[in-house]
Amino acid sequence: SQQGEEDPQALSIQEGENATMNCSYKTSINNLQWYRQNSGRGLVHLILIRSNEREKHSGRLRVTLDTSKKSSSLLITASRAADTASYFCATGRGNTNAGKSTFGDGTTLTVKP
Amino acid sequence: NAGVTQTPKFQVLKTGQSMTLQCAQDMNHEYMSWYRQDPGMGLRLIHYSVGAGITDQGEVPNGYNVSRSTTEDFPLRLLSAAPSQTSVYFCASSKLTGGTYEQYFGPGTRLTVT
Repeated sequence: SQQGEEDPQALSIQEGENATMNCSYKTSINNLQWYRQNSGRGLVHLILIRSNEREKHSGRLRVTLDTSKKSSSLLITASRAADTASYFCATGRGNTNAGKSTFGDGTTLTVKP
Repeated sequence: NAGVTQTPKFQVLKTGQSMTLQCAQDMNHEYMSWYRQDPGMGLRLIHYSVGAGITDQGEVPNGYNVSRSTTEDFPLRLLSAAPSQTSVYFCASSKLTGGTYEQYFGPGTRLTVT
């Protein structure tokens, strides 16, 4: 069964708006990762947040993690048409499990120009 | 660096046939993994490896074998293909750096089993 569940399943916004995607998971984690997948392509790592971190930034990306609620959110500010993609969260159980991640089913983001 | 490479990009098999999906990385990463992605879904872990000679099963290992004889290569073998194995297969590698890691994914192999 999938560890993470993204919400919403699909999101459509206008260019320049902010996009927020949420991820919930079931068991304790060591870290949570966010990935982007353009149509027909492989996944690209966006950001990793550790269980002892609450917020992390990378460019226009802001990720939060609430371990008490077992949830994370990804905020993309000032979205661009090029941000159109599917976004996945994945959970890791520890550094000794670096090769193992459990993925959610993703949020499909469409940014209209 | 080429990163993570996968061959072939596309493959059609008949039920019962066997084949090997190739994966190679040139980043000297310890960890390598195989995932499958079914339409509209996330990735599910098939097998992974923490180093040469060490492999372990993931969430959906049945029908697949792996071996890791070198750091660079991590082939995935389908023993007797079934239509349920129609999927896109991704190989990934990662390395621990400063207590964290980042997975690098290959472009994928689209497999259809008829």
